[in-house]
Amino acid sequence: QQPVQSPQAVILREGEDAVINCSSSKALYSVHWYRQKHGEAPVFLMILLKGGEQKGHEKISASFNEKKQQSSLYLTASQLSYSGTYFCGTERPYGQNFVFGPGTRLSVLP
Amino acid sequence: DSGVTQTPKHLITATGQRVTLRCSPRSGDLSVYWYQQSLDQGLQFLIQYYNGEERAKGNILERFSAQQFPDLHSELNLSSLELGDSALYFCASRGAGTGELFFGEGSRLTVL
Repeated sequence: QQPVQSPQAVILREGEDAVINCSSSKALYSVHWYRQKHGEAPVFLMILLKGGEQKGHEKISASFNEKKQQSSLYLTASQLSYSGTYFCGTERPYGQNFVFGPGTRLSVLP
Repeated sequence: DSGVTQTPKHLITATGQRVTLRCSPRSGDLSVYWYQQSLDQGLQFLIQYYNGEERAKGNILERFSAQQFPDLHSELNLSSLELGDSALYFCASRGAGTGELFFGEGSRLTVL
């Protein structure tokens, strides 16, 4: 079952912060985050396996609330290069379908 | 360069025809995933293979089929093509360590 993402789209000015949310109605084993620029392949950002654990580096981080089946991606002090569509990918236990959310389109303006 | 190779990069064909898309995973990766991405849409999971065996199936049409060969490359076969099958088809292989997906550059299929 496809996870839900919010918001669908967000426009930022360079230097502003953004949060993208991902949730599932099913128990999850892991949550991945990917960024796709127009016309290109998705690129891996990070994976979260444990409840509440926050991973990331520099200005992009994420959290995973295992009890709520929710993950959030935090982008701080956004840069122009952050523009693109962000997808969360979720995997259920026992290696079931690896499915992506519908995506959140992020535009960072100068 | 993700290390995942997809061919062809572009393909134009007519309705009713059949095409085969090919994917070579990264060296050492056993898992291959196929996704369909229609224009400005999300990534729709089609099917997953692990070491030659089908592991999971998504919303893959009966007109579509796939397989993974002993050398671990995979092929996605699309038959009786319809206009709505026009899309970007991505293949991804999965690293055993971090578990991240490495995507190929995709095969853009246009059905006229």
